[in-house]
Formats: sequence, structure tokens, C-alpha cells
Amino acid sequence: ETGVTQSPTHLIKTRGQQVTLRCSSQSGHNTVSWYQQALGQGPQFIFQYYREEENGRGNFPPRFSGLQFPNYSSELNVNALELDDSALYLCASSWRTDTQYFGPGTRLTVL
Amino acid sequence: KQEVTQIPAALSVPEGENLVLNCSFTDSAIYNLQWFRQDPGKGLTSLLLIQSSQREQTSGRLNASLDKSSGRSTLYIAASQPGDSATYLCAVCSNDYKLSFGAGTTVTVRA
Repeated sequence: ETGVTQSPTHLIKTRGQQVTLRCSSQSGHNTVSWYQQALGQGPQFIFQYYREEENGRGNFPPRFSGLQFPNYSSELNVNALELDDSALYLCASSWRTDTQYFGPGTRLTVL
Repeated sequence: KQEVTQIPAALSVPEGENLVLNCSFTDSAIYNLQWFRQDPGKGLTSLLLIQSSQREQTSGRLNASLDKSSGRSTLYIAASQPGDSATYLCAVCSNDYKLSFGAGTTVTVRA
């Protein structure tokens, strides 16, 4: 059984650019959640996808968007990057409401 | 809006001492509560999950208690080891299945 994987590991972008982060769910999981973790803080919920539909969203602007694919993998897209978007982006997969298993994260730096 | 607070923010103990980490939350209408471990720059590892109907959960040297009515959970780590050095995060799962995290307690166990 493979765990949750995320790509890329690290990414450097400049202000105004767009970025796509990817997440592969753990086998058998149908729900993916995305979180943003700024340095020294706890993760903040961005949104969740269940069976390819958005199933709740945190306090993030519309330039944060996502997709879930039929194989339950997922993408997080961020448009018009700002300096404050620099953070560790974490993906977690689960079978519906069961324990969420987290990937290693993508470290995004916006210059 | 669920607010999660973890006290203390940092803790340094000699090897062998027991650790007590505290977590408080403002809304007692929760689905479950999880404790996670995070090593520097890494993703989250789930340690324990307590369902809202449970009072405690144990795994090896770890024991977590939950008092939903008072909005508190405590993580106990017995006989600490240098390998226990990490940041410990408390996450409350609301009835909409979204996780709200505290900022974490950073633990250093001195050999």
C-alpha cells in the first residue's frame, strides 16, 4: 500500500505567477484535503474534495482552486501568487470521514 | 469558528521525563480529535485519534485524553526519548469533517 505522495517537493516562483501542486491519494481513499502551513503556524484548511466535487472550503480567496480526478488524485492551483503564499502545502487523503493521512508537503517560495 | 490553542508553545525536558501537552478548543461540537507529530520541514504523522464519544486513546508510550464538555485534550508521552523531539499538533475535526489545527508544541528531549 503506497502512502500519500506530493509533487514537486520544492518550488520557487515570482509574484504574479501561477502554480500547480499535485497529490496522489493513498490507495482506497476517496477524499482529499489541502492545507497551507506558514512557518511556525499550524496548517490552515484550504478545501476538500470528495468524489471529484468540492466539499467545503476554508477562508481562502478564489485564486486558490482545485481539482480531483477519477483516480482520486488532486491538484491545487494558485493564481496571481503573492509573497504571503510562501508556505508548506500539505495534502491529506482519507476514506470519507476516517483518519486523514498526510503527504510530505510541497514547499512553495514566492519571491 | 473553531479555535484551537496549544500550551506550551515549546518544551524542553531531560530524557526519561514524562511529557504533558495541552490542547483546548472553543466549540465542543466535534467529530473527533487527532494528535500529529511533525518533524522539521516534513509532513504530518498521525499519532492518535479520539472519537468524540471516547474519553482516551492509548498507543505504546502515548496516551491522549479528551474532555469534550470542557474543550480540552491532553497528550501524555511516557519516558521521553531524544527521538521524541518534534512539533506536536492537535487537530479538531468538526462535524463537517474539516480539521482545525493548533499552532503546535515544539518538544526538545535532551540526552
